[in-house]
Amino acid sequence: GAVVSQHPSRVICKSGTSVKIECRSLDFQATTMFWYRQFPKQSLMLMATSNEGSKATYEQGVEKDKFLINHASLTLSTLTVTSAHPEDSSFYICSAWTGQSTGELFFGEGSRLTVL
Amino acid sequence: AQKITQTQPGMFVQEKEAVTLDCTYDTSDPSYGLFWYKQPSSGEMIFLIYQGSYDQQNATEGRYSLNFQKARKSANLVISASQLGDSAMYFCAHIGRGSTLGRLYFGRGTQLTVWP
Repeated sequence: GAVVSQHPSRVICKSGTSVKIECRSLDFQATTMFWYRQFPKQSLMLMATSNEGSKATYEQGVEKDKFLINHASLTLSTLTVTSAHPEDSSFYICSAWTGQSTGELFFGEGSRLTVL
Repeated sequence: AQKITQTQPGMFVQEKEAVTLDCTYDTSDPSYGLFWYKQPSSGEMIFLIYQGSYDQQNATEGRYSLNFQKARKSANLVISASQLGDSAMYFCAHIGRGSTLGRLYFGRGTQLTVWP
């Protein structure tokens, strides 16, 4: 089964509203999680690194006030898209390390956001 | 900065044949890892294989093997005995273990189509 769970898988919202996406690590604790964004037929772009108990680290060009990240516990990180607009429509995916030395990094199932 | 290059936007292979998906990288990290992920049309990211930069042998996972040539900075994925279910987008990714704090950088991907 999935070791990282993401919810919701699909969300449609009106322009101007805020949307929260949850990322949970199952069966392991993740001090660090990562949020990615993927436009249709394009690669995954790292948005930010979510750190448990501290502020997220955002990649260059990512608006921290638009994409609020909270890592309140060792198993949960949330991404809130504030005042969403149609250009925010995208596929958002989170990932987390299991902590294994083999280097496995597992991804959530992804959340497809459509802003009308 | 890390750079991952996948030069093949699309590849076609007949069922039961082997196929090689190319990936080259450019990094200043002294220690790093390389991943391959499969992304079917459903969007989920499926971990396939991992290669650490100091691993002595090329990684293998079932039908997947990684042709790692460190001096040439290439990490090609070889899929043996292709199956129809292998049709998907394949992403090569790099993770640095130094100053990049473990963030994953993806190539543009290769769309693999397996035909009967």
